[in-house]
Order: sequence, then structure tokens, then C-alpha cells
Amino acid sequence: EDKVVQSPLSLVVHEGDTVTLNCSYEVTNFRSLLWYKQEKKAPTFLFMLTSSGIEKKSGRLSSILDKKELSSILNITATQTGDSAIYLCAVANAGGTSYGKLTFGQGTILTVHP
Amino acid sequence: GAGVSQSPSNKVTEKGKDVELRCDPISGHTALYWYRQSLGQGLEFLIYFQGNSAPDKSGLPSDRFSAERTGGSVSTLTIQRTQQEDSAVYLCASSRDTGRTEAFFGQGTRLTVV
Repeated sequence: EDKVVQSPLSLVVHEGDTVTLNCSYEVTNFRSLLWYKQEKKAPTFLFMLTSSGIEKKSGRLSSILDKKELSSILNITATQTGDSAIYLCAVANAGGTSYGKLTFGQGTILTVHP
Repeated sequence: GAGVSQSPSNKVTEKGKDVELRCDPISGHTALYWYRQSLGQGLEFLIYFQGNSAPDKSGLPSDRFSAERTGGSVSTLTIQRTQQEDSAVYLCASSRDTGRTEAFFGQGTRLTVV
């Protein structure tokens, strides 16, 4: 069974701090790893990382995939109160009847204080 | 449509009643996913569709849960004889296909069983 574990489960920082969120996974056939931000109901897509694209960056957010260590990190620099959210990591399976299935971690709750 | 649309956005039902939750994916997206999120928890996989077929139904919690998709578009998740533990936010996502796994989420249906 595919498994995704995120750490820490929660994090409280002040504006301007830099944070690193962790995601480790076990999947039978790895296809990709995705990061989402969830503020209210709907998670919004941030990044997708694959064997051919192991590093992504968008503004203050960046993410790296370590296929050897079966893990990924999401970095947020110069945090703002608007970064407060739940950050979700998911892995997509590439094999058999589970092809394309997304398995999510439990999320990291990030709170940024002014 | 422009985004994934779910209805209703909120549903309060009495224990023992049946409910139907609807998901209208992004036009042209062939893959459709259902997840459940209980308060403070991560996303629990329920079922996904590639076209009208469901390769993986392993996440459905019991035989009270069923889902169908017709015409490769709209999907309905049905919960029969609802129980209080069914209370959660039910999220639907779609992606272009299971080969391109950037899945985009709807706003969810908050189900409360009283």
C-alpha cells in the first residue's frame, strides 16, 4: 500500500522566517510527487516533481525531489501571513490498476504570525 | 467548465438517509477522483475513474458507498443509510488523464449527518 508521511504536522513561525516542510513516501511504482496548498476547502496545485523534473521554483516557494531518499522538501522563504495554510504532499502511482492514483499525506499546518 | 464544480456545497442530513454528491469535472478531463477529509485530517482516497471505469475502488469505506460516472463527465457519489461518522468534506478532483497527474480540486461538499 502506498504511503506518504509529512513532517512536521504543524509549524508556527513569524513573518519573514524561512520554513522547510518534509514529505517522505513509499510507493510501488513512482510516477510523480505533487504539492498542494489548502486554505479553506479546495487544495490548490503548487508543484509536480518527476524523475525528469526534480526541482521547481515559483516566487518564494521551491521544491526538490530526492528519489534516492524517497523524499521531497518544500521551502518557503520570507514567509507572509497569507502563507498560512495546510500544505499537502501526494504521490502518483505508475503501475497497474493504481496507475495515476494519488495518495496524500496528512498535511503540515503552517501558521505565520505577523 | 472553467473549474471542477461540486454540488451541493453543504448538506445536512439525518442519520439513516441516503445522500448524493455531484462532481462536474473540468471539460476534457478524463480522470476523476473522490477524496474525503475529516476535520483536521489529511485526504482519504475513496475512488477514481478513468473515463467511465473505476480501476481502483479500494478506498470506499463500506458497501454503503458507491460512485458512478456516465458519459465520461459528471460523477455521483452516493452514501446510503448515512451514519454520523460519514460527516466530512467530500472533495472531487479531475486531471487531463492519469498520465498527467496535476489534479485540480473542486470546493468540496461539507456533509453533516445529524
